[in-house]
Amino acid sequence: KNEVEQSPQNLTAQEGEFITINCSYSVGISALHWLQQHPGGGIVSLFMLSSGKKKHGRLIATINIQEKHSSLHITASHPRDSAVYICAVRIQGAQKLVFGQGTRLTINP
Amino acid sequence: SAVISQKPSRDICQRGTSLTIQCQVDSQVTMMFWYRQQPGQSLTLIATANQGSEATYESGFVIDKFPISRPNLTFSTLTVSNMSPEDSSIYLCSVDWGNSGNTIYFGEGSWLTVV
Repeated sequence: KNEVEQSPQNLTAQEGEFITINCSYSVGISALHWLQQHPGGGIVSLFMLSSGKKKHGRLIATINIQEKHSSLHITASHPRDSAVYICAVRIQGAQKLVFGQGTRLTINP
Repeated sequence: SAVISQKPSRDICQRGTSLTIQCQVDSQVTMMFWYRQQPGQSLTLIATANQGSEATYESGFVIDKFPISRPNLTFSTLTVSNMSPEDSSIYLCSVDWGNSGNTIYFGEGSWLTVV
């Protein structure tokens, strides 16, 4: 079993829909990152969470440390949100990041 | 913020040859990380490169296959040696930035195809 599991693996939605991507992990962490990877391969950091909730524009990320679970929400989704979203956790006491498999999101106009 | 320039962005390589990927950061950083992303897979850490010391390799990756240089605090190279089709992947360098590594910055990635 992977230390970081994301669901769903693939998600297709219509423009305007509310999107939720989930991330569960099984190890102690010091932080959790949400990343966005576009088809060209470039990766952008969206959020770093150690507790609670963060919001940036239409993106909201939450984390529940006790339940070892995080969610990434996209409100009013748009075709330009189409990308792979990756959850990565920093193992407690280490510099190393462990990555989920990614969620491929496609937003149709 | 940090800006990372990585090259080449894309290359087609012959089996048995070696290719060196370069990663330049616009600020000094202590650690640089090299990742591999095989087709359809997520990122796997190859090694951590510290300036002035040998790189630290993850299980399954060895220095003979993936030699790394870190001559200063803004630059690193990863060489993929004696390539086979199984080495066809995106290779990415990355740095942590900010307090406690709040933000992660990645290079644009080097997409290697071995034929």
